Amino acid sequence: EVQLVESGGGLVQPGRSLRLSCSASGFTFGDYAMSWFRQAPGKGLEWVGFIRSKTYGGSSEYAASVKGRFTISRDDSESIAYLQMNSLKTEDTAVYYCSRGRIIVIGRDAFDIWGQGTMVTVSS
Amino acid sequence: DIQLTQSPSSLSASIGDTVTITCQASQDISNYLNWYQEKPGKAPKLLIYDAYNLETRVPSRFSGSGSGTDFTFTITSLQPEDIATYYCQHFDNPITFGQGTRLEIK
Repeated sequence: EVQLVESGGGLVQPGRSLRLSCSASGFTFGDYAMSWFRQAPGKGLEWVGFIRSKTYGGSSEYAASVKGRFTISRDDSESIAYLQMNSLKTEDTAVYYCSRGRIIVIGRDAFDIWGQGTMVTVSS
Repeated sequence: DIQLTQSPSSLSASIGDTVTITCQASQDISNYLNWYQEKPGKAPKLLIYDAYNLETRVPSRFSGSGSGTDFTFTITSLQPEDIATYYCQHFDNPITFGQGTRLEIK
């Protein structure tokens, strides 16, 4: 079964760090870009960032709201994507989802597999 | 950045109705628009990609159309399990979503 499972969420104080993990199974992880999204309580979906597959350079892109604070990495040998979140703010409180990007055409993906999400609460 | 304006923000319909949601892009995005369904407490689910292509194993009562700046998502013969929030999404940098449409049963 194709599956993504996020972990690592929890309660953290403003200014501190947290690392989320996204464990993949059921597909060749290294062939896909991986993205992170979030949804604040009562709000819509927001893109956080993505990391390309090694085939396309393995580079990352980030939303302006997290650029310079969040870093996405991947371990293809373990089929895990990470979201390192530093200098956390109260407005980063959200459910965080990882998702697989299926290439529709090169340079454009659709997000066809999603994890169940992990809650991150930033509060003092 | 490309902005997506989705409407209505909420919608109430009866079982068996046809429901239509629109998504307007701030500039021409060709047919590069996807639609997702999100049920409470569950992960989003891809329904339509590239404006009108039905994702594998998605019921045929879901459909999409449009190109350029104006897009439409339709559910024909609404079923109870279709109660959810629906989002349009465009892949660029940044990746953007519409504000969402909450669909309720009348």
